[in-house]
Amino acid sequence: DADVTQTPRNRITKTGKRIMLECSQTKGHDRMYWYRQDPGLGLRLIYYSFDVKDINKGEISDGYSVSRQAQAKFSLSLESAIPNQTALYFCATSEGRISSYEQYFGPGTRLTVT
Amino acid sequence: KNQVEQSPQSLIILEGKNCTLQCNYTVSPFSNLRWYKQDTGRGPVSLTIMTFSENTKSNGRYTATLDADTKQSSLHITASQLSDSASYICVVSGTGNTPLVFGKGTRLSVIA
Repeated sequence: DADVTQTPRNRITKTGKRIMLECSQTKGHDRMYWYRQDPGLGLRLIYYSFDVKDINKGEISDGYSVSRQAQAKFSLSLESAIPNQTALYFCATSEGRISSYEQYFGPGTRLTVT
Repeated sequence: KNQVEQSPQSLIILEGKNCTLQCNYTVSPFSNLRWYKQDTGRGPVSLTIMTFSENTKSNGRYTATLDADTKQSSLHITASQLSDSASYICVVSGTGNTPLVFGKGTRLSVIA
């Protein structure tokens, strides 16, 4: 089984709808991250969490919220989806601080907002 | 501004040939530089991580170099295979918990 899983893998939704993307990991890592990837751009950090009680905004957090339900679960919500949130979304984990430890990525969720 | 620039944007090579991908960065302070391989529809997978003191690091047919003075890195792929077709992403880490800086990637296509 994959160490980092994401559900759903693909989702099409309409403008204004609320949507939640889920991430689960079995690596036992405390740190979890949400990124988005757009064509022609590098991955950009949306939110990150060092543990269940520590959640931090990344560089592009506007329009998104997150929930760390447990060490192994980190969810990303779009409260009112808009078309420019159409992108590939990745969850990642790391054992320790980001500058020193490897990041492990999930398979991604392709989100389309119409 | 912290940036990572990769070249070329895309590359097509014949199976069995070698190729080199380039990465220039302006991230400071610097902690390490990483190369990831991302297959279509999949998440990035780490190939190498290089710290300031490392000049060269290999992972099978992949060899990364780092010149911290000129802030340049390269990824050399030897005897390419069809399975090497993917995007290769250069990522630079600053110190502490500052976010990673991702390049836009080089799209490599290996053809028979």
